Amino acid sequence: GEDVEQSLFLSVREGDSSVINCTYTDSSSTYLYWYKQEPGAGLQLLTYIFSNMDMKQDQRLTVLLNKKDKHLSLRIADTQTGDSAIYFCAESAGGSYIPTFGRGTSLIVHP
Amino acid sequence: DTGVSQDPRHKITKRGQNVTFRCDPISEHNRLYWYRQTLGQGPEFLTYFQNEAQLEKSRLLSDRFSAERPKGSFSTLEIQRTEQGDSAMYLCASITQGTGELFFGEGSRLTVL
Repeated sequence: GEDVEQSLFLSVREGDSSVINCTYTDSSSTYLYWYKQEPGAGLQLLTYIFSNMDMKQDQRLTVLLNKKDKHLSLRIADTQTGDSAIYFCAESAGGSYIPTFGRGTSLIVHP
Repeated sequence: DTGVSQDPRHKITKRGQNVTFRCDPISEHNRLYWYRQTLGQGPEFLTYFQNEAQLEKSRLLSDRFSAERPKGSFSTLEIQRTEQGDSAMYLCASITQGTGELFFGEGSRLTVL
C-alpha cells in the first residue's frame, strides 16, 4: 500500500529557511500536498503540486518534487514564529484519489 | 465564510452512547471525505462520497460507524456504542473531482469517557 514518510521534528532559528522533507511510495501519485496544522485546529492547505511539475513557488513557500526518487520538500523562506506548527505531506493517486498522509513534521521556530 | 464547516467542534460523551457529526462541504464540491486523526498521527482515511454515493470505506470504519450524504450536500458520521478508542479528531474534507484543492474543516473532537 501507499506510505508517506516524514521526519518528526525540525527546529530552526527565526529568519532562517526551513526545509521539510517527505518521501512516498506510490509511483502513480497525481497530486502532492503540504498542509499546516496548529494546535486544536484542522488542516490548512498550504500548497499542492501536480505530478508533472518539479517545482512550485508561492510567496515564501517553495515546493520541490523529485518524481524519480519519490521525494517532496517544502522550503519556507524567512521562517517566523507564526510558522511553528505541524506540517503534513500527503499524496493522492489517480482513480480512487484518496489522499494518504504522513505523520507530520513538528516545526519549532525559536528566536 | 464558504469553507468546510463541521459541527459540533467538541463532543464529550460516555462510553456506550451514540454520537453524530455533521459536515457541510464547500457548495460546489462533489467529493467529500471523512478522516480520523489521533494524537501524534496524521489523518487516516475513513470513507468518501462522490455526490451521494459512498464509494469507498476503510477497514477502520467498523460496523459501529455509519456515514451518509443523502442529497449530495452535507454529510453525517454516526458512531454507535462509543468506545474509549473512538476518542479522536474527526476531519471532513471536500474537493471537486479532477482538481487538486482539497480543503479541510476545523474538525470535530470526540472524547469518550
